Amino acid sequence: DSGVTQTPKHLITATGQRVTLRCSPRSGDLSVYWYQQSLDQGLQFLIQYYNGEERAKGNILERFSAQQFPDLHSELNLSSLELGDSALYFCASSARTDSGNTIYFGEGSWLTVV
Amino acid sequence: AQSVAQPEDQVNVAEGNPLTVKCTYSVSGNPYLFWYVQYPNRGLQFLLKYITGDNLVKGSYGFEAEFNKSQTSFHLKKPSALVSDSALYFCAVRDYGSGNTGKLIFGQGTTLQVKP
Repeated sequence: DSGVTQTPKHLITATGQRVTLRCSPRSGDLSVYWYQQSLDQGLQFLIQYYNGEERAKGNILERFSAQQFPDLHSELNLSSLELGDSALYFCASSARTDSGNTIYFGEGSWLTVV
Repeated sequence: AQSVAQPEDQVNVAEGNPLTVKCTYSVSGNPYLFWYVQYPNRGLQFLLKYITGDNLVKGSYGFEAEFNKSQTSFHLKKPSALVSDSALYFCAVRDYGSGNTGKLIFGQGTTLQVKP
């Protein structure tokens, strides 16, 4: 158990809908990362937060947004869903962002868009 | 830009034999390298990392990795493979390019198949 908790584990929704994925980082970790894993794209970095502030943006679509709350949990919002958004979404956390810090991953949220 | 490459989509090895999963990297500056494993329908589990120091890094489940600066490689190894090692393995580099964010950049993954 990495200590990173993601909910829901599985989600099936229709095209055009909106979903929210939730992540609780390891206790004390300030940095949260979101990744998308799909068969054709591999593991793609979406966005990173550090202590409530957006730190880096990767290949995140405009239909997607995220935030990190004062209690350090994070949410990834996916809207106007398309079939191609079906993927495994990972949240990860680390205490800080320096090189020695290990980034730990949650079990992921499986999203299926039908 | 920082990147890692895993040249093999799949590695097959017999149980009890040594295994190697290859990774090469391209970074500006010092490389901070990681290996993760993903079992079916599970999340990514941290195996080991190289930050500085000894070129041979030991990690979880009997795995180790050898950092080779001249060959820009960070191959994952295990002296004796188990069937239970069958999984998807990812090499990753910490990105300290623009923005100095420290996010991980992953290779495409290598499926390890250990046969009894």
